[in-house]
Amino acid sequence: KAGVTQTPRYLIKTRGQQVTLSCSPISGHRSVSWYQQTPGQGLQFLFEYFSETQRNKGNFPGRFSGRQFSNSRSEMNVSTLELGDSALYLCASSLNYYEQYFGPGTRLLVL
Amino acid sequence: KQEVTQIPAALSVPEGENLVLNCSFTDSAIYNLQWFRQDPGKGLTSLLLIQSSQREQTSGRLNASLDKSSGRSTLYIAASQPGDSATYLCAVMQGGSEKLVFGKGMKLTVNP
Repeated sequence: KAGVTQTPRYLIKTRGQQVTLSCSPISGHRSVSWYQQTPGQGLQFLFEYFSETQRNKGNFPGRFSGRQFSNSRSEMNVSTLELGDSALYLCASSLNYYEQYFGPGTRLLVL
Repeated sequence: KQEVTQIPAALSVPEGENLVLNCSFTDSAIYNLQWFRQDPGKGLTSLLLIQSSQREQTSGRLNASLDKSSGRSTLYIAASQPGDSATYLCAVMQGGSEKLVFGKGMKLTVNP
């Protein structure tokens, strides 16, 4: 069974640009969550989706948004990038309130 | 607000030692607790999941226990090996949301 996949794996952007990250969950998983990981703040929850509906959102500015498609694939978008958005962005999928499986992450560098 | 703490932040041990990693959380109303391993620059690998109704889970050389009333979990690693070197994170999930609240992690180095 294939694991969680994330694309792209690496991204370099400049301040003010926008970026879209993609996550494909494990087959059969309908729940997808997103996290930001930085050395200073550790892992912080961004949002979670289930059956195309956002169920919960973390404490991030409105520049961070996401969506989920009917095939459970999810995307997150960050607009007007800031230097502080440089981080490892991790996506996780689960069967719904159960064990979460993480992807390899997308490393975003904002210059 | 749930807070998860892992102490110490780093640990260096010789190969073969049995290890105990600690995790504490402030709100005992959790749905489950999950232990992860993270290698440098990589994603998280799930090690063990303990549901709130369970006291422990085992997988190979790993054993995790949960004491909800005291807000503590312990990950026991038997006969440590250099390949166990990684950062170990614990995370709790509370009811009504898939949101995981993570500790800052403990960086483990096992020396040959």
